[in-house]
Amino acid sequence: GESVGLHLPTLSVQEGDNSIINCAYSNSASDYFIWYKQESGKGPQFIIDIRSNMDKRQGQRVTVLLNKTVKHLSLQIAATQPGDSAVYFCAENIGYSTLTFGKGTMLLVSP
Amino acid sequence: GAVVSQHPSRVICKSGTSVKIECRSLDFQATTMFWYRQFPKKSLMLMATSNEGSKATYEQGVEKDKFLINHASLTLSTLTVTSAHPEDSSFYICSARKSYGYTFGSGTRLTVV
Repeated sequence: GESVGLHLPTLSVQEGDNSIINCAYSNSASDYFIWYKQESGKGPQFIIDIRSNMDKRQGQRVTVLLNKTVKHLSLQIAATQPGDSAVYFCAENIGYSTLTFGKGTMLLVSP
Repeated sequence: GAVVSQHPSRVICKSGTSVKIECRSLDFQATTMFWYRQFPKKSLMLMATSNEGSKATYEQGVEKDKFLINHASLTLSTLTVTSAHPEDSSFYICSARKSYGYTFGSGTRLTVV
């Protein structure tokens, strides 16, 4: 299940489940969105991106959905594995300038 | 491709000393690099945008005299934390922009004692 508190929101799933991580972005003018995975003590790692002229993009085991009407972005991970455990951030961008990061969600995958 | 190397990965320094963190784009030229700061269990906060051959652009609230940024070449940007204090202890991450995206370094854990 998902919990939200003083720390990062956490999503706990079982290995093999599908995970959905959500993000509300702030600027309706944003035209480029990226999902990053960050493991403890490391820098963010690119997962998948999407431009505002699309509403869905698929990668290997991951899918990003974009709903511009409600300024919502989601990351779907299929068949979640323990190695997927990390903090996931969405980031938004306007005109390929600076990135603005969302608050992040911790994904915990138990075997 | 698009590898960014950040060094050191962790550093401990005494209060009052200065620390330099390097960010290198290894296989591409980066006219623009970014420096972020991250507190535990928090998101990345942009500190400044580093432009090759010109002055860095700092975000509101970031002291430019405290966090000196130099981007002297197309493959190297440095962040110097001057007169470091314990409250400067944090995780610092650099990023470089390439034509089709952004690549991040592995971060530097700074501890000021």
